[in-house]
Amino acid sequence: GAGVSQSPRYKVAKRGQDVALRCDPISGHVSLFWYQQALGQGPEFLTYFQNEAQLDKSGLPSDRFFAERPEGSVSTLKIQRTQQEDSAVYLCASSLAVGAGEPYEQYFGPGTRLTVT
Amino acid sequence: AQKVTQAQTEISVVEKEDVTLDCVYETRDTTYYLFWYKQPPSGELVFLIRRNSFDEQNEISGRYSWNFQKSTSSFNFTITASQVVDSAVYFCALSNPGYSTLTFGKGTMLLVSP
Repeated sequence: GAGVSQSPRYKVAKRGQDVALRCDPISGHVSLFWYQQALGQGPEFLTYFQNEAQLDKSGLPSDRFFAERPEGSVSTLKIQRTQQEDSAVYLCASSLAVGAGEPYEQYFGPGTRLTVT
Repeated sequence: AQKVTQAQTEISVVEKEDVTLDCVYETRDTTYYLFWYKQPPSGELVFLIRRNSFDEQNEISGRYSWNFQKSTSSFNFTITASQVVDSAVYFCALSNPGYSTLTFGKGTMLLVSP
């Protein structure tokens, strides 16, 4: 079946431009996560959605970062007035559900590599 | 706060060698979950294993095995008889119950040469 897809795969933006990164999760997956992965580092949590509700945005580095999932499926991560330090791979992951117990496996997309020049 | 340390930045081995990737974690929680993910050059993170804090049994899956030791806060990963296709970056990660945000280590790049 189809996995998590992300578009575009590569994005080059000039400093100060706004960008929008799209994530299509696996159909039926309730949970959706965004991570930022700098070169040579592990992914770092940005934000989490359960259906259309954004339950945790504690990892967003500044108010220039905004994420939405209006219909509880596709999600968009928007970065306004991009800066060079925003250059990274942005990973999206989805999982089947959430609960009080053992976390479900997160399925990751291929990521969007953002380069800010 | 949670923290995952993968002290090995890069490991190079020759095919058929065994290799162990180290992972040390820190958490104040009594219930937590540990993961290993593989990131091949294509970039997509691939789930390998999940282990909860109450289950210290070692696990073997084909050429892969995992050793979880709560006493030393370690969750090490061994690949037996490594193959070129094992070349990738491997990440250890930690999460709590609930919505399970993952805290990742910095990763270990494994290079397996023929």
